[in-house]
Amino acid sequence: DQQVKQNSPSLSVQEGRISILNCDYTNSMFDYFLWYKKYPAEGPTFLISISSIKDKNEDGRFTVFLNKSAKHLSLHIVPSQPGDSAVYFCAAITLNTDKLIFGTGTRLQVFP
Amino acid sequence: EAQVTQNPRYLITVTGKKLTVTCSQNMNHEYMSWYRQDPGLGLRQIYYSMNVEVTDKGDVPEGYKVSRKEKRNFPLILESPSPNQTSLYFCASTDLAGDEQFFGPGTRLTVL
Repeated sequence: DQQVKQNSPSLSVQEGRISILNCDYTNSMFDYFLWYKKYPAEGPTFLISISSIKDKNEDGRFTVFLNKSAKHLSLHIVPSQPGDSAVYFCAAITLNTDKLIFGTGTRLQVFP
Repeated sequence: EAQVTQNPRYLITVTGKKLTVTCSQNMNHEYMSWYRQDPGLGLRQIYYSMNVEVTDKGDVPEGYKVSRKEKRNFPLILESPSPNQTSLYFCASTDLAGDEQFFGPGTRLTVL
């Protein structure tokens, strides 16, 4: 049973537009949510996180929104750039178990 | 069953006492890596290995060593642990032909 789900395996966006990557979860006990970006043949790199007590966190072009009632979070990238083309993983962690659970990833392609 | 295993899962040690955290994967993946997870900092890569006998530093390699003598194993070695290495450690392996990344269950290390 997957606790963190990314239902869209891929997304294609034009350069300059907004990219919205979605993530749903089932465990209401998660303390933190994180987004990672991964290029081919490289490990994931951390992008941005959000505590479960907040509903928004912004860092430059990246903003993460958390809707706890819907158990849904999203990553917004504005404006999208070709270098953003990568696979994006949503992850969640409960601090009392230290277990980091990743979604399956969404491949974002930003075209000129 | 495809998996990445780490041992031990929990370890409490004292400053300066050498330790090794083992990592093993059964998927014949070329690429393996080690990460540490710290609150507010996300997942940071320590070392990675593209194949047997090929290892490279990640973002935070200081105080760590690795070896890749066999494809399936990628141990993380702390020659002289210090308290700032108290963290949650994840091993991961990746099939370079795709983007699927498998993470181990994590090792919680406390250095007193």
